[in-house]
Amino acid sequence: GESVGLHLPTLSVQEGDNSIINCAYSNSASDYFIWYKQESGKGPQFIIDIRSNMDKRQGQRVTVLLNKTVKHLSLQIAATQPGDSAVYFCAEAGGYQKVTFGTGTKLQVIP
Amino acid sequence: GAGVSQTPSNKVTEKGKYVELRCDPISGHTALYWYRQSLGQGPEFLIYFQGTGAADDSGLPNDRFFAVRPEGSVSTLKIQRTERGDSAVYLCASSLQGADTGELFFGEGSRLTVL
Repeated sequence: GESVGLHLPTLSVQEGDNSIINCAYSNSASDYFIWYKQESGKGPQFIIDIRSNMDKRQGQRVTVLLNKTVKHLSLQIAATQPGDSAVYFCAEAGGYQKVTFGTGTKLQVIP
Repeated sequence: GAGVSQTPSNKVTEKGKYVELRCDPISGHTALYWYRQSLGQGPEFLIYFQGTGAADDSGLPNDRFFAVRPEGSVSTLKIQRTERGDSAVYLCASSLQGADTGELFFGEGSRLTVL
C-alpha cells in the first residue's frame, strides 16, 4: 500500500535494539500527550498517553517521557521488533477538545 | 466487526462533483471526529461531534465542507464542488466520551481522489 511515511523523518533501528522517538509539542495547556502508531494503509492506533502532571509512564515495551520545561515528549520502545515498523505521531489533547497531531517519524526496523 | 467503519474505502471523482463519506463509530461512543490526512502529513483535525451536535468545527477548511450526525451515531462528511486539493485520506475516529485522555479509535479511512 501507499506509504504514509513519505517525506517524514526516518529512524532506522536494528531489530532488538531500543528505539527513541522524539517530539516537540506546542500547547503547554494540554492535559494529555499521546503517541499513535500508523501502519501503511491504516488509521492511527493509540499506543500510550501521559497526563500533564506526570513525567514518565510505562506500558508494555514502551515508555513515554514528558519534559514540560522544554515542551518535549519522547517514546521509547524496548527490544524493537519488525512489527514496530510504522509512522509514529505524537499528539496532544485536553478538556474534551480535539486531539491535535504533530509531525510523524517513520521507524524502520532492520532485521 | 466492532471497530470504526468507513465507507467508501476509495472514492474517485471529478472536479466540481459532490461527495459524501460515511463513518459508523464504535457502538456507544458519543464522541466522533473527522480528520484529513495528506501524504506524508499527520492527521489534520476537521470537526468533532459530541452526540448529535458539532462541539468544534474549527478545522473545516471552508464552506464546501459540512458534516452531520443526526442521530448521534453514524456521521456523514459532505464535500461540495470538490477541488483537486481535497484529495486526501479522510479519517474518522470515535471515543467513549471525548478527548479527555486523547485515546481515539480510528477507522481505516476513505481515500478521496479528485481528478
